[in-house]
Amino acid sequence: NAGVTQTPKFQVLKTGQSMTLQCAQDMNHEYMSWYRQDPGMGLRLIHYSVGAGITDQGEVPNGYNVSRSTTEDFPLRLLSAAPSQTSVYFCASSYSPPGTGFNGYTFGSGTRLTVV
Amino acid sequence: ELKVEQNPLFLSMQEGKNYTIYCNYSTTSDRLYWYRQDPGKSLESLFVLLSNGAVKQEGRLMASLDTKARLSTLHITAAVHDLSATYFCAAHADSNYQLIWGAGTKLIIKP
Repeated sequence: NAGVTQTPKFQVLKTGQSMTLQCAQDMNHEYMSWYRQDPGMGLRLIHYSVGAGITDQGEVPNGYNVSRSTTEDFPLRLLSAAPSQTSVYFCASSYSPPGTGFNGYTFGSGTRLTVV
Repeated sequence: ELKVEQNPLFLSMQEGKNYTIYCNYSTTSDRLYWYRQDPGKSLESLFVLLSNGAVKQEGRLMASLDTKARLSTLHITAAVHDLSATYFCAAHADSNYQLIWGAGTKLIIKP
């Protein structure tokens, strides 16, 4: 049982480049989300999805796109990387979204992204 | 808008001592979550507090929730070095599908 798998673990981009961070889960979780973690700021929600074909913006969505074509996969796309997007990115999933029935996330191992 | 504040943000303590981390939140939320993160690692769920007065304990850690005071505490009893980590609390914003996170408390326990 792999849980939540994120790739790559590390990435260096040049300003203006685009890339996709991959996230896959094998637990049949309906809810998936992307967070960024910056020092002293906790986790901030970028985008989330409550099921295949349904996505919505979180707290800090600018500069990022997502899609959810299958239950298992939830990739995060950086359209034109900027130094302000240097961060650690976590994918998280759960059976239910936060609210009734939510008992916490399963997190991936994270992607450390540096934009130069 | 829900805001979550943790304090202290940094705590250095000796093994064997007791201490408490506080998590205050600004608007109504009846669910509170605690996570642990080791350096360079992912986040691990510690406690899920689902109602007022909820208390959960695992080993040397005990978490409680007072929804009327909008306060959760994480109490460490007789700290050991292995508990060194960053601890996060998160509350659910009732109006949407989001968790709002505290900034984290970096805990260092010295032998």
